[in-house]
Amino acid sequence: DIQLTQSPSSLSASVGDRVTITCRASQSISSYLNWYQQKPGKAPNLLIYAASNLPSGVPSRFSGSGSGTDFTLAISSLQPEDIATYYCHQTYMSPPTFGGGTKVQIK
Amino acid sequence: EVQLVESGGGLVQPGGSLRLSCAASGFTFSSYVMLWVRQAPGKGLEYVSTISSNGGNTLYASSVKDRFTTFRDNSKNTLYLQMGSLRIDDMGVYYCARQDAVDGPSGPSYYIDVWGRGTTVTVSS
Repeated sequence: DIQLTQSPSSLSASVGDRVTITCRASQSISSYLNWYQQKPGKAPNLLIYAASNLPSGVPSRFSGSGSGTDFTLAISSLQPEDIATYYCHQTYMSPPTFGGGTKVQIK
Repeated sequence: EVQLVESGGGLVQPGGSLRLSCAASGFTFSSYVMLWVRQAPGKGLEYVSTISSNGGNTLYASSVKDRFTTFRDNSKNTLYLQMGSLRIDDMGVYYCARQDAVDGPSGPSYYIDVWGRGTTVTVSS
């Protein structure tokens, strides 16, 4: 199975800060990488698909980049409503796998 | 409104069985591949199973293969997960999810675009 390693596992930042989360795959997965946001007690929500595509309704402060084994989720200006855990997810090879998650908190 | 609503979770003894259901609405259920994803208490997301749009093909995580069965009834817009030989580590929230795809560099790029709210499975004696 393809392993996805997220870093950091948690972070604390101030409102307005730029935040970046990294996801590294155990082998090349091209651009078959998605990101989800999960707020406490809620189901996950799609944030980025196919490495860099923003679904309609997702704020433009979120962006994704990367290809191959290294991917980044960026929040350009952290907002209080962005408090959540973020997961990467690969669909290059079956079974699909998820990263361990990055918990984002406000400083 | 596109919606997935899971039901059937509850308390079951180790070794027991449980059937989860997921009622879909607001979209053409029979056109979509569907998945089950679970989350143990305080842990991350874990893939469980995929079923093709017509129900003819299924895939399972190695951790549940031969114990769980996914099936669907497109006439009832409902997805099911039949769970057997349940273990403590099967405990958690089970999410029903819809899969969509876009063209990728070497085939479709899949992603989960709709999630249910989840149903909780507790395995305890």
